[in-house]
Amino acid sequence: SAVISQKPSRDICQRGTSLTIQCQVDSQVTMMFWYRQQPGQSLTLIATANQGSEATYESGFVIDKFPISRPNLTFSTLTVSNMSPEDSSIYLCSVQGLAGGPPYNEQFFGPGTRLTVL
Amino acid sequence: QKEVEQNSGPLSVPEGAIASLNCTYSDRGSQSFFWYRQYSGKSPELIMFIYSNGDKEDGRFTAQLNKASQYVSLLIRDSQPSDSATYLCAVNGDSSYKLIFGSGTRLLVRP
Repeated sequence: SAVISQKPSRDICQRGTSLTIQCQVDSQVTMMFWYRQQPGQSLTLIATANQGSEATYESGFVIDKFPISRPNLTFSTLTVSNMSPEDSSIYLCSVQGLAGGPPYNEQFFGPGTRLTVL
Repeated sequence: QKEVEQNSGPLSVPEGAIASLNCTYSDRGSQSFFWYRQYSGKSPELIMFIYSNGDKEDGRFTAQLNKASQYVSLLIRDSQPSDSATYLCAVNGDSSYKLIFGSGTRLLVRP
């Protein structure tokens, strides 16, 4: 499986500010996703990061709040905008499928970014 | 609304016992089923996946799938204290890449 890194690993931010989280993969991958895991909860898909086009957002998540970029097949960013304490969560990127390889459905997760908003 | 249900636990078993973790799903069209292990403060780690009815074994882990009953389970043989973690069941359906996660079952293996 691919090696996935995220930066920052954790951050403490003030209300009203924005934070950009980076996800880097050591291989070109077909699909990249962003999830949120609130304290004590399971994972919720925020959006699918599409290379070269706008991300596909799940119900309840909007581009103005969570802008996403994916300039190539190995890198994506998620920005959490105008943060409030309710945005305190772990944000995870995941990847699926090696570009040019056989399709498969397994997803692998990065180490996550723990965000605390004061 | 597609749903994946798990008992939140904790499921407590003695060391060396078999731990049985269960998951049900609502979308009969689901095709792929995954088990992730998540240690406290860490990200989920894929430990098993199964696509066909029946059993799939990998070391101490066995995944079991029954599509007719919309039920998937994970058996952990010879449980070790290091197996203590939250186990997340995930399912995808008509869309090949979206995963829907259950709330997870916390497993405690007592030495």
